[in-house]
Amino acid sequence: GEDVEQSLFLSVREGDSSVINCTYTDSSSTYLYWYKQEPGAGLQLLTYIFSNMDMKQDQRLTVLLNKKDKHLSLRIADTQTGDSAIYFCAEIGGATNKLIFGTGTLLAVQP
Amino acid sequence: EAGVVQSPRYKIIEKKQPVAFWCNPISGHNTLYWYLQNLGQGPELLIRYENEEAVDDSQLPKDRFSAERLKGVDSTLKIQPAELGDSAVYLCASSRVGGGEQFFGPGTRLTVL
Repeated sequence: GEDVEQSLFLSVREGDSSVINCTYTDSSSTYLYWYKQEPGAGLQLLTYIFSNMDMKQDQRLTVLLNKKDKHLSLRIADTQTGDSAIYFCAEIGGATNKLIFGTGTLLAVQP
Repeated sequence: EAGVVQSPRYKIIEKKQPVAFWCNPISGHNTLYWYLQNLGQGPELLIRYENEEAVDDSQLPKDRFSAERLKGVDSTLKIQPAELGDSAVYLCASSRVGGGEQFFGPGTRLTVL
């Protein structure tokens, strides 16, 4: 079945870059997403990438997709304390049209 | 434009009691989703509605869970009776069309004692 995995925790210093990684198994994924969840809040869509792209940049965010290895990453440049949250990657496959989430990565930004 | 509204935000009940959650999607969004998010996990889809029709309820435990979206707008998710393992956050999301960008509500945190 479809599976999405992420590392559980990442700690960085304010001003450094953060890289959050994700692997998935569904080779028919059409879109891959990054969501941010702050404490007590719902999920906020940060960015997404279509499966035929290998990179997308949006201000401080850079998404890299290696479709061969089924690996997705999110780079946050100049990480700020306000970036502290849980980050979820998710994929939507052509077969089920269902959004499958990873377990989330807790990003802690140290001042 | 208002986002997805959910109520209540928090609910504490004793096991075997019934509980209901309410969701009001973004105006004009035809597709509505209910997700279950356990602690330390990503959300998992329970049910998806296209207007008033449930088009994917394969993950909904139908022995105790039920949902409705009678007029194709607001939706209610019910658990009867609740069990200890139902303690989680229940998220509602909506999108303009199925497969489109999903907007999430803040969720209802359920604690079953």
